[in-house]
Amino acid sequence: QSALTQPRSVSGSPGQSVTISCTGTSSDVGDYNYVSWYQQPPDKAPKLMIYDVSKRPSGVPDRFSGSKSGNTASLTISGLQAEDEADYYCCSYAGSYTWVFGGGTKLTVL
Amino acid sequence: EVQLVESGGGLVQPGGSLRLSCAASGFTFSSYWMHWVRQAPGKGLEWVSRITSDGSSTSYADSVKGRFTMSRDNAKNTLYLQMNSVRAEDTAVYYCARDDRYTVTWWGQGTLVTASS
Repeated sequence: QSALTQPRSVSGSPGQSVTISCTGTSSDVGDYNYVSWYQQPPDKAPKLMIYDVSKRPSGVPDRFSGSKSGNTASLTISGLQAEDEADYYCCSYAGSYTWVFGGGTKLTVL
Repeated sequence: EVQLVESGGGLVQPGGSLRLSCAASGFTFSSYWMHWVRQAPGKGLEWVSRITSDGSSTSYADSVKGRFTMSRDNAKNTLYLQMNSVRAEDTAVYYCARDDRYTVTWWGQGTLVTASS
């Protein structure tokens, strides 16, 4: 049950695009399409942004998109806005009814 | 609207016990799996445990297996986490969350547990 690997920080200017990677193994990200992404502003609860690798819940802007290749999933945020500044976490089902989160990525909007 | 409200957090001595509760509303609680996820101060999210809709099956992270027990009372729309043999490294905000097809979807606001002497 090792944490998924995410970059500690990414940054971008308003209007630009950023991509956050999430690397796991063939036992989690690589084996299941149950990859999700969460946005967590400071001192607040996480909010689901992407599920099933690339699906967006109702109300999440289409600027947020997800994908997966092999053992690595990615979250892309296009048209960056100041309100996107937050911590982002990936999560994958890991089999045997266990789940694993990534270590988190701090997004700074310059 | 889905609402999850955790309670029961506080200060506990290492080796001690604590029971967290999570009151659910706005959805048919008895139809959903549920999770506990924790976040140590300044750290990332860590999945802790999951329970099936009828409470018949549970699963746990290795870090809490044998010490924590997750349960639910569907008549009261309430989820529980019994924490025994608490360690300093269990200090965290504990979130209860709903599962939708193997995805942690809706989250509560969390309750802080501090394990310290």
